Amino acid sequence: GDSVTQMEGPVTLSEEAFLTINCTYTATGYPSLFWYVQYPGEGLQLLLKATKADDKGSNKGFEATYRKETTSFHLEKGSVQVSDSAVYFCALYLSGGYNKLIFGAGTRLAVHP
Amino acid sequence: GAVVSQHPSRVICKSGTSVKIECRSLDFQATTMFWYRQFPKQSLMLMATSNEGSKATYEQGVEKDKFLINHASLTLSTLTVTSAHPEDSSFYICSARISGSAYEQYFGPGTRLTVT
Repeated sequence: GDSVTQMEGPVTLSEEAFLTINCTYTATGYPSLFWYVQYPGEGLQLLLKATKADDKGSNKGFEATYRKETTSFHLEKGSVQVSDSAVYFCALYLSGGYNKLIFGAGTRLAVHP
Repeated sequence: GAVVSQHPSRVICKSGTSVKIECRSLDFQATTMFWYRQFPKQSLMLMATSNEGSKATYEQGVEKDKFLINHASLTLSTLTVTSAHPEDSSFYICSARISGSAYEQYFGPGTRLTVT
């Protein structure tokens, strides 16, 4: 079935370090891909998205490129801040009757000064 | 941006009782709302999809008689956990989809349910 796999956390980094959170997916069709972020005590927020192969989503310094050949959508940021500490969820959306988001398990990021 | 609220944020109830969780879209209309359940260190699992004015569609394995969903208006959906048991303890999250959008969902902050 359709699924999303992301790297286990927690990921602990120093401020200004480079971040990569890996995400791979399995889907029968051509999904749209998303990264959501959940800050402590808040709901999930859409961070970025890509709707077709080779699209790059970007927001707040975060980027992810839709790689069809490797079925991946890795999240990257060049220089993390303490305020980036949160849980990050990779997700896919399949249209055509499914109409629902399928989430990965989430990766907790902790950035310390 | 679009805001979704949930009430209560946390609730403790005794085994055998029922508890209702509300999900509201505060500044937009949502014809479709979703209810998720999240276990510790696990993904969000979709429980059901509710469309305003019609019966909810439940995912496989979710007991519709135990998790009652009502979507009576374009801004309110409720989840009632009936005859709760300790295994129902979890984090419940709702989301609301903006009318006309295929996938744009806005999430509530979640409700922590503890059944003793």
